[in-house]
Amino acid sequence: KQEVTQIPAALSVPEGENLVLNCSFTDSAIYNLQWFRQDPGKGLTSLLLIQSSQREQTSGRLNASLDKSSGRSTLYIAASQPGDSATYLCAVPTGNQFYFGTGTSLTVIP
Amino acid sequence: DVKVTQSSRYLVKRTGEKVFLECVQDMDHENMFWYRQDPGLGLRLIYFSYDVKMKEKGDIPEGYSVSREKKERFSLILESASTNQTSMYLCASSGGLAGGHEQFFGPGTRLTVL
Repeated sequence: KQEVTQIPAALSVPEGENLVLNCSFTDSAIYNLQWFRQDPGKGLTSLLLIQSSQREQTSGRLNASLDKSSGRSTLYIAASQPGDSATYLCAVPTGNQFYFGTGTSLTVIP
Repeated sequence: DVKVTQSSRYLVKRTGEKVFLECVQDMDHENMFWYRQDPGLGLRLIYFSYDVKMKEKGDIPEGYSVSREKKERFSLILESASTNQTSMYLCASSGGLAGGHEQFFGPGTRLTVL
């Protein structure tokens, strides 16, 4: 069964800092990898989808990379802002299911 | 804009009640999912459906059932609600095979069972 791990579980940074969130998975037979953002008490908002054939995907200040062979993905956030404070989750589809990490809770301090 | 809606944001029910949670998507997606999310446990898959009237058990189906009579609607049913089913319930949908496509989520239903 696919296992997805996100490290660190929580992160606190001052505004303006660049940061990296990590996601690792045990089964490299994935179709793609998706990064989500979740605000407290809300649903998940899709940030980026990287197909298995891609190595990077960018959206604004966000850049996600994927290394299937090593079972890793990173989400890079440039010039962090207080509005980036949220929990970030990664998800990998394997078979007919999506497997989620438990997330990294990010706080950006003004 | 892509849309997944859930019937209620907050719901309070009593132990033993039958509870219906409804989810509707407007993207003509084949696949729909029900998850519950609890602190420290992350998202856990309850049931999913890859076509009308088709359903598959996820990791924690006990105490739940589902119904998918129309492509756009996927209902989660708690046959007899219990306090350990107090949780955040999230519905999601994706197109095509689950693995090849992006997954979209609804806003969630916070269910409290007293």
